[in-house]
Amino acid sequence: KAGVTQTPRYLIKTRGQQVTLSCSPISGHRSVSWYQQTPGQGLQFLFEYFSETQRNKGNFPGRFSGRQFSNSRSEMNVSTLELGDSALYLCASSPTSGGASTGELFFGEGSRLTVL
Amino acid sequence: KQEVTQIPAALSVPEGENLVLNCSFTDSAIYNLQWFRQDPGKGLTSLLLIQSSQREQTSGRLNASLDKSSGRSTLYIAASQPGDSATYLCAVPSGSARQLTFGSGTQLTVLP
Repeated sequence: KAGVTQTPRYLIKTRGQQVTLSCSPISGHRSVSWYQQTPGQGLQFLFEYFSETQRNKGNFPGRFSGRQFSNSRSEMNVSTLELGDSALYLCASSPTSGGASTGELFFGEGSRLTVL
Repeated sequence: KQEVTQIPAALSVPEGENLVLNCSFTDSAIYNLQWFRQDPGKGLTSLLLIQSSQREQTSGRLNASLDKSSGRSTLYIAASQPGDSATYLCAVPSGSARQLTFGSGTQLTVLP
């Protein structure tokens, strides 16, 4: 069974540009959540999607957005990039059971974004 | 607001030792706790998930315990190996099951 797939794995952007990251969850998983990992702040929750709807959002500015498609694949977008957006962006998928999640998250390898 | 603390921040041990990693959380109203492993530059690998109704979970040489009343969890690694070298993170849900609050991790080095 394939794991969570994130693309691209590495990317370099300059300040002011925008970036789109993609996440394909484990087959059958309908919940996708996104996290940002930096050396200073550690792992922080960005947002969560389930059935194409954003269910929760972390404390990040509106420049950070996301969406989920009908096949459960998800994308996140960061507009007007700042130097502080340099980070490892991790996507996680979660199984559902009887309509309720078991709570276990499975993470991808991440997309490492460098903003120059 | 849930806060998660992991002690120690770093740990270096010789191969073969049994070791314990600690995780504490401030809000005991959790319904599970998850332990992860992260290798440098990589994503997170789920190690163990303990539901709030459970006291411990075991997987191979790993054993995790959960004491909700005291807000603590421990990850026990038996007979450590150099391949166990990684950062170990614990996380608890805040709000939804998929909105996790992470500790800052324990960086483990097992020396051959």
